[in-house]
Amino acid sequence: DTGVSQDPRHKITKRGQNVTFRCDPISEHNRLYWYRQTLGQGPEFLTYFQNEAQLEKSRLLSDRFSAERPKGSFSTLEIQRTEQGDSAMYLCASSREGVTEAFFGQGTRLTVV
Amino acid sequence: GIQVEQSPPDLILQEGANSTLRCNFSDSVNNLQWFHQNPWGQLINLFYIPSGTKQNGRLSATTVATERYSLLYISSSQTTDSGVYFCAVFGSSNTGKLIFGQGTTLQVKP
Repeated sequence: DTGVSQDPRHKITKRGQNVTFRCDPISEHNRLYWYRQTLGQGPEFLTYFQNEAQLEKSRLLSDRFSAERPKGSFSTLEIQRTEQGDSAMYLCASSREGVTEAFFGQGTRLTVV
Repeated sequence: GIQVEQSPPDLILQEGANSTLRCNFSDSVNNLQWFHQNPWGQLINLFYIPSGTKQNGRLSATTVATERYSLLYISSSQTTDSGVYFCAVFGSSNTGKLIFGQGTTLQVKP
């Protein structure tokens, strides 16, 4: 069990560029979650998948954001036309199906300049 | 949706002191977790505790679901305990995601 893995750990990008983050969940977990955390705040829910189905999306997830989990394993989160307000830590978590313990990855820290 | 409130927002202790962190939630829950966020930003699982009491070394947690609160106890605190502590819940009417509180920032001084 290698835990939840996220890549990259850090990303600096210019405003207007597109960025993509990857999350590899714990292998037997079929639920995968994306959260965003800004300085001094708790993590805020963005979206979650059960297997390859995206079951819920937050209103925080504007149309510039898209997430996929095509084969029910790893997931990607893409942000198009980045804005300075997108600067945050993006956290991925996974869990077994149902209301069970969730485990988080190390996060991807995005800085938009 | 369910609201999660943590107190105190900030806490400063001398090494060796004990502390209690509180998490209140506004609705019944199916799950509650306590996390410690390390200086690099990763959320480390401390307890999965929808009800009852659990202990792990110097840390223990109690959730009283009927009264909608949970407590995290840290005994004989060490400088390595410093960081932000979050509680997060799955609401009974909202099972898709964990909802986080704003956290308690703990600083343990040597």
